Amino acid sequence: DAGVTQSPTHLIKTRGQQVTLRCSPISGHKSVSWYQQVLGQGPQFIFQYYEKEERGRGNFPDRFSARQFPNYSSELNVNALLLGDSALYLCASGGAGSNNEQFFGPGTRLTVL
Amino acid sequence: RKEVEQDPGPFNVPEGATVAFNCTYSNSASQSFFWYRQDCRKEPKLLMSVYSSGNEDGRFTAQLNRASQYISLLIRDSKLSDSATYLCVVTLNNDMRFGAGTRLTVKP
Repeated sequence: DAGVTQSPTHLIKTRGQQVTLRCSPISGHKSVSWYQQVLGQGPQFIFQYYEKEERGRGNFPDRFSARQFPNYSSELNVNALLLGDSALYLCASGGAGSNNEQFFGPGTRLTVL
Repeated sequence: RKEVEQDPGPFNVPEGATVAFNCTYSNSASQSFFWYRQDCRKEPKLLMSVYSSGNEDGRFTAQLNRASQYISLLIRDSKLSDSATYLCVVTLNNDMRFGAGTRLTVKP
């Protein structure tokens, strides 16, 4: 069985550009969450989607947006990139009634120059 | 005050040692608790859930004290392969809040 998949694995952008990151959850999982991890820190919660609806939002600016598709895959969009957006972006999937356990994908490493 | 705080580390221990990690959380309404491990430049992987009654998985024991808002992880007979960063995680209303992690290095 495939785990959580994310694409691309690495990405280099310049300030002011826009980026879209993609995630496919574990088969059967309906929840997708996005996290930002800066070097030396724990992951910071950005969004959670369940059944295509936003269920939670962390303390991130409106430049960050996301959506979930009918097949439960998800996209994270970041507009007007800043140098400080350079980080590992992690996607996690979870199933309903799973005691909130989440399973992470390998992440997308974004570098903003 | 941070929502989830962990021992700053790093912990450097010899093989076979017992090591304990501590974690405190600020929101008493927190609902679920976990330990994840993260290897260098890899994604976090679920190590174990933490229950009020305490739970054990092989060499790993996790405990939760809701009154003190404190979580612990004990690793016995540590192995070289236990070297990683250990992340304390607390959930509230579907939000997972991570500690900054504690780096463990087990040396021969």
